[in-house]
Amino acid sequence: EVQLVESGGGLVQPGRSLRLSCAASGFTFDDYAMHWVRQAPGKGLEWVSGISWNSGTIVYADSVKGRFTMSRDNARNSLFLQMNSLRAEDTALYFCAKDNGGITVASLDYWGQGTLVTVSS
Amino acid sequence: QSALTQPASVSGSPGQSITISCTGTSSDVGSYNLVSWYQQHPGKAPKLMIYEVSRRPSGVSNRFSGSKSGNTASLTISGLQAEDEADYYCCSYAGSSTLVFGGGTKLTFL
Repeated sequence: EVQLVESGGGLVQPGRSLRLSCAASGFTFDDYAMHWVRQAPGKGLEWVSGISWNSGTIVYADSVKGRFTMSRDNARNSLFLQMNSLRAEDTALYFCAKDNGGITVASLDYWGQGTLVTVSS
Repeated sequence: QSALTQPASVSGSPGQSITISCTGTSSDVGSYNLVSWYQQHPGKAPKLMIYEVSRRPSGVSNRFSGSKSGNTASLTISGLQAEDEADYYCCSYAGSSTLVFGGGTKLTFL
């Protein structure tokens, strides 16, 4: 059974940093691209970042470019999102999601339950 | 990276069919057959319903179908059932390994 379990969310002050993790199991992690998608309270889904199977391609939404860094550790079946210079508008539930290809093919077939990040003073 | 355009809400009655549109540009929906649709119930994670414009994952009802014409993709749900009441999001490949989502559509029953 495919499982994606996010962790690392919490309450953080504006300008500070937070590192999210996603533990994957039930599939061959290093065969697939992965993504972070967020959802602000009461709002829609927003794609944040994506990474190819071998970390050869890492891309970001304009809203987080230069502040967030996505990475993966295929030996540990883990995905990460380092979030720096956090802003109030980064407050959201952050989902990790598996793509159905080694590179992005826009088919996110499994999702975690999300980890909540709240940026507030 | 502008969001794809979806109607904020659609409504229907049990047994009816509804269609949700998703309008992008020639840089995303219009250029790639990589459009997917997600169903999200309150407090739950999104669920993949359609990928590559019209393909259904295993286990998804054949009442769900997808199509695309030009810069607009569509999701049709036929024979509406109570459990279909949810939010629906489209997503498109937007080039250079990036994705873009639609703003979401709330499906409610009349």
